[in-house]
Amino acid sequence: EDQVTQSPEALRLQEGESSSLNCSYTVSGLRGLFWYRQDPGKGPEFLFTLYSAGEEKEKERLKATLTKKESFLHITAPKPEDSATYLCAVQAQGGNTGKLIFGQGTTLQVKP
Amino acid sequence: NAGVTQTPKFQVLKTGQSMTLQCAQDMNHEYMSWYRQDPGMGLRLIHYSVGAGITDQGEVPNGYNVSRSTTEDFPLRLLSAAPSQTSVYFCASSRGGFGNQPQHFGDGTRLSIL
Repeated sequence: EDQVTQSPEALRLQEGESSSLNCSYTVSGLRGLFWYRQDPGKGPEFLFTLYSAGEEKEKERLKATLTKKESFLHITAPKPEDSATYLCAVQAQGGNTGKLIFGQGTTLQVKP
Repeated sequence: NAGVTQTPKFQVLKTGQSMTLQCAQDMNHEYMSWYRQDPGMGLRLIHYSVGAGITDQGEVPNGYNVSRSTTEDFPLRLLSAAPSQTSVYFCASSRGGFGNQPQHFGDGTRLSIL
Protein backbone atom coordinates (compact mmCIF):
# COMPACT_ATOMS: atom_id res chain seq x y z
CA GLU A 1 0.00 0.00 0.00
CA ASP A 2 1.26 3.45 -0.91
CA GLN A 3 2.05 5.46 2.19
CA VAL A 4 3.61 8.78 3.22
CA THR A 5 4.85 9.49 6.76
CA GLN A 6 6.13 12.83 8.01
CA SER A 7 8.19 13.52 11.10
CA PRO A 8 8.23 15.15 13.50
CA GLU A 9 4.56 16.00 13.94
CA ALA A 10 5.50 19.33 15.50
CA LEU A 11 8.72 21.30 15.68
CA ARG A 12 9.55 24.41 17.68
CA LEU A 13 12.61 26.42 16.71
CA GLN A 14 14.17 29.66 17.79
CA GLU A 15 14.64 32.23 15.07
CA GLY A 16 17.88 31.40 13.26
CA GLU A 17 17.98 27.77 14.45
CA SER A 18 18.26 25.58 11.36
CA SER A 19 16.59 22.16 11.16
CA SER A 20 15.09 19.56 8.82
CA LEU A 21 11.68 18.00 8.28
CA ASN A 22 11.41 14.42 7.08
CA CYS A 23 9.03 12.75 4.61
CA SER A 24 9.32 8.98 4.22
CA TYR A 25 7.39 7.32 1.43
CA THR A 26 6.48 3.84 0.25
CA VAL A 27 5.05 3.73 -3.26
CA SER A 28 5.11 1.21 -6.09
CA GLY A 29 6.95 3.73 -8.21
CA LEU A 30 7.51 7.43 -7.64
CA ARG A 31 6.40 9.82 -10.35
CA GLY A 32 6.82 12.95 -8.26
CA LEU A 33 7.11 14.22 -4.69
CA PHE A 34 5.56 17.54 -3.73
CA TRP A 35 6.09 19.87 -0.78
CA TYR A 36 3.34 22.30 0.26
CA ARG A 37 3.04 24.97 2.93
CA GLN A 38 -0.28 25.46 4.73
CA ASP A 39 -1.11 28.47 6.89
CA PRO A 40 -4.00 28.33 9.40
CA GLY A 41 -7.36 28.71 7.70
CA LYS A 42 -5.85 28.49 4.22
CA GLY A 43 -5.36 25.86 1.55
CA PRO A 44 -1.97 24.28 0.87
CA GLU A 45 0.41 26.38 -1.19
CA PHE A 46 2.83 24.67 -3.57
CA LEU A 47 6.55 24.88 -2.77
CA PHE A 48 8.53 22.23 -4.70
CA THR A 49 8.32 19.18 -6.95
CA LEU A 50 11.09 16.57 -6.91
CA TYR A 51 11.23 13.79 -9.48
CA SER A 52 14.29 11.61 -8.92
CA ALA A 53 16.78 10.64 -6.23
CA GLY A 54 19.56 13.17 -5.83
CA GLU A 55 17.47 16.10 -6.98
CA GLU A 56 17.46 19.31 -4.92
CA LYS A 57 15.32 22.46 -5.08
CA GLU A 58 15.75 25.74 -3.20
CA LYS A 59 13.55 28.70 -2.41
CA GLU A 60 14.71 31.40 -0.02
CA ARG A 61 15.45 29.66 3.31
CA LEU A 62 14.01 26.31 2.18
CA LYS A 63 15.81 23.47 0.45
CA ALA A 64 14.18 20.18 -0.51
CA THR A 65 16.14 17.00 -1.23
CA LEU A 66 15.09 13.53 -2.38
CA THR A 67 16.42 9.99 -1.93
CA LYS A 68 14.86 6.71 -3.00
CA LYS A 69 13.03 6.38 0.33
CA GLU A 70 12.61 9.87 1.74
CA SER A 71 12.69 13.60 1.26
CA PHE A 72 13.98 16.31 3.54
CA LEU A 73 12.91 19.91 3.79
CA HIS A 74 15.84 21.85 5.23
CA ILE A 75 15.09 25.22 6.81
CA THR A 76 18.11 27.47 7.17
CA ALA A 77 18.04 30.32 9.70
CA PRO A 78 14.23 30.32 9.94
CA LYS A 79 12.18 33.41 10.68
CA PRO A 80 8.83 33.64 12.50
CA GLU A 81 7.06 34.01 9.14
CA ASP A 82 8.19 30.48 8.27
CA SER A 83 5.77 29.19 10.91
CA ALA A 84 3.23 26.95 9.15
CA THR A 85 2.33 23.34 8.54
CA TYR A 86 4.46 21.69 5.86
CA LEU A 87 2.88 18.90 3.86
CA CYS A 88 4.54 16.25 1.75
CA ALA A 89 2.66 14.39 -1.02
CA VAL A 90 3.58 11.76 -3.60
CA GLN A 91 2.26 10.85 -6.99
CA ALA A 92 2.72 7.17 -7.77
CA GLN A 93 3.55 5.63 -11.15
CA GLY A 94 0.33 5.01 -13.02
CA GLY A 95 -1.34 7.78 -11.11
CA ASN A 96 -2.08 11.28 -12.31
CA THR A 97 -1.74 14.78 -10.98
CA GLY A 98 -5.30 14.72 -9.67
CA LYS A 99 -4.46 11.92 -7.27
CA LEU A 100 -1.89 12.61 -4.57
CA ILE A 101 -1.13 10.76 -1.35
CA PHE A 102 -0.43 13.16 1.50
CA GLY A 103 1.44 12.80 4.77
CA GLN A 104 -0.02 14.14 8.01
CA GLY A 105 2.19 17.21 7.96
CA THR A 106 4.74 18.83 10.27
CA THR A 107 3.67 21.94 12.14
CA LEU A 108 6.59 24.33 12.51
CA GLN A 109 6.66 27.16 15.03
CA VAL A 110 9.53 29.64 14.89
CA LYS A 111 9.86 31.88 17.92
CA PRO A 112 11.51 35.31 17.72
CA ASN B 1 -6.76 35.77 -11.43
CA ALA B 2 -8.93 34.17 -8.73
CA GLY B 3 -7.42 30.65 -8.96
CA VAL B 4 -9.58 28.08 -7.13
CA THR B 5 -12.69 29.45 -5.40
CA GLN B 6 -14.67 27.44 -2.87
CA THR B 7 -18.08 28.33 -1.45
CA PRO B 8 -19.33 28.47 1.21
CA LYS B 9 -16.40 29.02 3.60
CA PHE B 10 -18.36 27.71 6.60
CA GLN B 11 -21.48 25.58 6.91
CA VAL B 12 -23.39 23.87 9.71
CA LEU B 13 -25.78 21.07 8.81
CA LYS B 14 -28.05 18.73 10.69
CA THR B 15 -27.70 15.00 10.27
CA GLY B 16 -29.59 13.84 7.18
CA GLN B 17 -29.53 17.17 5.38
CA SER B 18 -28.05 17.46 1.92
CA MET B 19 -25.87 20.16 0.46
CA THR B 20 -23.46 20.95 -2.34
CA LEU B 21 -19.98 22.36 -1.87
CA GLN B 22 -19.03 24.50 -4.82
CA CYS B 23 -15.61 24.67 -6.47
CA ALA B 24 -14.65 26.78 -9.47
CA GLN B 25 -11.29 27.41 -11.15
CA ASP B 26 -10.38 29.96 -13.79
CA MET B 27 -7.05 28.50 -14.91
CA ASN B 28 -8.48 26.14 -17.56
CA HIS B 29 -7.06 23.16 -15.64
CA GLU B 30 -8.17 19.72 -16.74
CA TYR B 31 -7.64 17.96 -13.43
CA MET B 32 -9.73 18.73 -10.35
CA SER B 33 -9.88 16.97 -6.99
CA TRP B 34 -11.70 17.02 -3.67
CA TYR B 35 -9.92 16.27 -0.40
CA ARG B 36 -11.00 16.24 3.22
CA GLN B 37 -8.61 17.20 6.00
CA ASP B 38 -9.05 15.83 9.50
CA PRO B 39 -6.75 16.25 12.52
CA GLY B 40 -4.01 13.61 12.50
CA MET B 41 -5.23 12.15 9.18
CA GLY B 42 -3.76 14.49 6.62
CA LEU B 43 -5.49 15.25 3.33
CA ARG B 44 -7.45 12.32 1.93
CA LEU B 45 -8.72 12.17 -1.64
CA ILE B 46 -12.51 11.87 -2.01
CA HIS B 47 -13.11 12.12 -5.77
CA TYR B 48 -11.21 13.48 -8.72
CA SER B 49 -11.80 14.36 -12.37
CA VAL B 50 -9.43 14.28 -15.33
CA GLY B 51 -11.70 16.37 -17.53
CA ALA B 52 -15.28 17.40 -18.19
CA GLY B 53 -17.56 14.38 -18.03
CA ILE B 54 -14.95 12.12 -16.37
CA THR B 55 -14.80 11.42 -12.64
CA ASP B 56 -13.33 8.70 -10.46
CA GLN B 57 -13.24 7.68 -6.82
CA GLY B 58 -10.42 8.43 -4.44
CA GLU B 59 -9.57 6.97 -1.06
CA VAL B 60 -12.75 7.94 0.85
CA PRO B 61 -15.65 8.32 -1.64
CA ASN B 62 -18.54 6.91 0.40
CA GLY B 63 -21.29 9.44 1.14
CA TYR B 64 -20.16 11.86 -1.56
CA ASN B 65 -21.12 12.39 -5.20
CA VAL B 66 -19.46 14.50 -7.87
CA SER B 67 -20.06 15.52 -11.45
CA ARG B 68 -18.04 17.55 -13.95
CA SER B 69 -20.19 19.16 -16.61
CA THR B 70 -17.74 21.99 -17.37
CA THR B 71 -13.97 22.45 -17.15
CA GLU B 72 -14.41 25.24 -14.59
CA ASP B 73 -16.73 23.66 -12.00
CA PHE B 74 -16.48 20.55 -9.84
CA PRO B 75 -19.21 20.45 -7.14
CA LEU B 76 -19.20 17.95 -4.27
CA ARG B 77 -22.57 16.70 -3.04
CA LEU B 78 -23.42 15.29 0.36
CA LEU B 79 -26.72 13.46 -0.10
CA SER B 80 -27.43 12.70 3.57
CA ALA B 81 -24.98 14.34 5.94
CA ALA B 82 -23.52 12.33 8.82
CA PRO B 83 -21.47 13.56 11.82
CA SER B 84 -18.48 11.61 10.45
CA GLN B 85 -18.43 14.04 7.52
CA THR B 86 -17.53 16.94 9.79
CA SER B 87 -14.26 18.11 8.29
CA VAL B 88 -12.50 20.76 6.24
CA TYR B 89 -12.95 20.18 2.52
CA PHE B 90 -10.43 21.36 -0.06
CA CYS B 91 -10.80 21.52 -3.80
CA ALA B 92 -7.71 21.53 -6.02
CA SER B 93 -6.93 21.81 -9.71
CA SER B 94 -3.91 21.11 -11.91
CA ARG B 95 -2.96 20.96 -15.56
CA GLY B 96 -3.76 17.77 -17.41
CA GLY B 97 -1.50 14.94 -18.43
CA PHE B 98 1.15 13.12 -16.47
CA GLY B 99 3.63 15.94 -16.24
CA ASN B 100 3.56 16.15 -12.46
CA GLN B 101 2.03 19.59 -12.44
CA PRO B 102 1.42 20.92 -8.92
CA GLN B 103 -2.09 21.21 -7.60
CA HIS B 104 -3.56 24.60 -6.74
CA PHE B 105 -5.84 24.58 -3.72
CA GLY B 106 -8.78 26.67 -2.64
CA ASP B 107 -9.05 27.95 0.94
CA GLY B 108 -11.49 25.27 2.01
CA THR B 109 -15.02 24.80 3.30
CA ARG B 110 -15.34 24.13 7.02
CA LEU B 111 -18.32 21.83 7.50
CA SER B 112 -19.91 20.80 10.78
CA ILE B 113 -22.61 18.13 10.97
CA LEU B 114 -24.70 18.17 14.13
